[in-house]
Amino acid sequence: NAGVTQTPKFQVLKTGQSMTLQCAQDMNHEYMSWYRQDPGMGLRLIHYSVGAGITDQGEVPNGYNVSRSTTEDFPLRLLSAAPSQTSVYFCASRSDLAYEQYFGPGTRLTVT
Amino acid sequence: SQQGEEDPQALSIQEGENATMNCSYKTSINNLQWYRQNSGRGLVHLILIRSNEREKHSGRLRVTLDTSKKSSSLLITASRAADTASYFCATVTNDMRFGAGTRLTVKP
Repeated sequence: NAGVTQTPKFQVLKTGQSMTLQCAQDMNHEYMSWYRQDPGMGLRLIHYSVGAGITDQGEVPNGYNVSRSTTEDFPLRLLSAAPSQTSVYFCASRSDLAYEQYFGPGTRLTVT
Repeated sequence: SQQGEEDPQALSIQEGENATMNCSYKTSINNLQWYRQNSGRGLVHLILIRSNEREKHSGRLRVTLDTSKKSSSLLITASRAADTASYFCATVTNDMRFGAGTRLTVKP
């Protein structure tokens, strides 16, 4: 199994541009989440999904959209990038609330 | 706001010593998990403790949970230089939320 994969690994955007961060998992997990991590801080939950077709907001959802059309994929869309969205983004998945979460390697995003 | 808060923010010890990190949280939980992160890489799961459990062991790791005080602790015994990393607690309700972490440095 590849586990949780994220693309791209690095991205530089200009203010106002839009883009999609890709996340895929091959473990047939129902739960998937997106987090951002800023320097010196822990992970903050952006959006999460408890299954295909179902998404919900986390702690810091503004400026981001998600969709879950398949069990495997959970893309994160930045609608109009802002410098405050410069961060490292992690995607994660797990089979159930009662189990551990598996993380992707992260996408380092810089918005200038 | 983040659910869990780790204490201390940073901890520096000598190899062979024990390291204790604490986590406090605010609401009722399904379970609490500890993760480790090396240098900005993805997080790796260490141990999970359910809300009806009080203590759990895994190798050199010991986790306790006190739901009445809404707190947990992670003990790493006989630390090694390779244990140098950031450690995060994560609380699970309908989702999973993380604290700001404890940065552990183990000196050889």
